[in-house]
Amino acid sequence: DIQMTQSPSSLSASVGDRVTITCRASQSISSYLNWYQQKPGKAPKLLIYAASSLQSGLPSRFSGSGSGTDFTLTISSLQPEDSATYYCQQSYSTPLTFGPGTKVDIK
Amino acid sequence: QVQLQQSGPGLVKPSQTLSLTCAISGDSVSSNSVAWIWIRQSPSRGLEWLGRTYYRSKWYNDYAVSVKSRITINPDTSKNQFSLQLNSVTPEDTAVYYCARVRGDDAFDIWGQGTMVTVSS
Repeated sequence: DIQMTQSPSSLSASVGDRVTITCRASQSISSYLNWYQQKPGKAPKLLIYAASSLQSGLPSRFSGSGSGTDFTLTISSLQPEDSATYYCQQSYSTPLTFGPGTKVDIK
Repeated sequence: QVQLQQSGPGLVKPSQTLSLTCAISGDSVSSNSVAWIWIRQSPSRGLEWLGRTYYRSKWYNDYAVSVKSRITINPDTSKNQFSLQLNSVTPEDTAVYYCARVRGDDAFDIWGQGTMVTVSS
């Protein structure tokens, strides 16, 4: 199985800050990497697919980059509604696996 | 607009079978370009992919090794839905269960609302 790790596990930042979350795969997954946002009591929501493509209808402050084993999710200007847990997920091979999540709080 | 509506009991006794259904609107369970999956989430296991069903001229299923001996995911074309059955449940199967759609680019773009299932006597 491909193991996914994320760092940090949590962070606290101010509105307007640039936030970066890192995801690492245990082996190369090319660009088969997706990012999700989950708010309490809700299902995860697709943010970024294929490592760097923004899901339709979502704000451009979210962006993704990377390939191979190292990936990054960036929020260019943090907004109050971005308070959530963010997960990376590899779709390279089954079992499809998720990272443990990064909880983002607003200061 | 594609929507997934989950149904099923929130409490299951140990050793019994967990059964959930995911009704699809706005798409077809028989679509040749997507797959249909079940995922669960618990504090101990995080988000865990359980398995998928998909149609590519015939039906295919893949299951996670961790549940492979106990799980069945079945499409129901007459009702445009798919189901999850997990046999011989234990308290470790307590989790929020989600159904979801997987697009051709392998992103999980549509999710059900989630069902909290507790395994307890």
